[in-house]
Amino acid sequence: DAGVIQSPRHEVTEMGQEVTLRCKPISGHDYLFWYRQTMMRGLELLIYFNNNVPIDDSGMPEDRFSAKMPNASFSTLKIQPSEPRDSAVYFCASRLGGKQYFGPGTRLTVT
Amino acid sequence: GQQLNQSPQSMFIQEGEDVSMNCTSSSIFNTWLWYKQDPGEGPVLLIALYKAGELTSNGRLTAQFGITRKDSFLNISASIPSDVGIYFCAGNRDDKIIFGKGTRLHILP
Repeated sequence: DAGVIQSPRHEVTEMGQEVTLRCKPISGHDYLFWYRQTMMRGLELLIYFNNNVPIDDSGMPEDRFSAKMPNASFSTLKIQPSEPRDSAVYFCASRLGGKQYFGPGTRLTVT
Repeated sequence: GQQLNQSPQSMFIQEGEDVSMNCTSSSIFNTWLWYKQDPGEGPVLLIALYKAGELTSNGRLTAQFGITRKDSFLNISASIPSDVGIYFCAGNRDDKIIFGKGTRLHILP
């Protein structure tokens, strides 16, 4: 299995631009999670889905952040408009049973 | 909210030494997970623990699920340079997995 796939791996954008991060979970996994990692805050859970349905988005920092999961094999995290404080590494993870696997992350830099 | 206290925050050890790190919580968890993160990569699952008291090994790594279900430890024996990285504990309760803040392991030559 290819594992969790994320794209792009790196994204540099200017403040105010829209950013879309993409994730393909491991086939057959029924949970999908979006995390953000920074030095200051560590690993923060933003939102998670179960069987493509958003369950808890209480970690989404602001209305500028939105996430969708149109089908079992694809999810997006969108930031519109982006701000410099959104700079971080964003991880997608998928889970089946008790084991959760992370993607390689997208390093986002907003200038 | 639920918190995981992971310690130590960082460790500096000599190559060949054994390492021990742990996580504690005020809440009970159903599963404990240990991850390692290398620079520029996502966390990689090392060991999953499912039952109180369970002791599981993965090569030089050994982890245990505490009897109270509120703690877990990870031991690394005979450390080598590639063990350098950040180790995260995580507890699973209901749908969510809560992560500790990590233990950063440094190995001195």
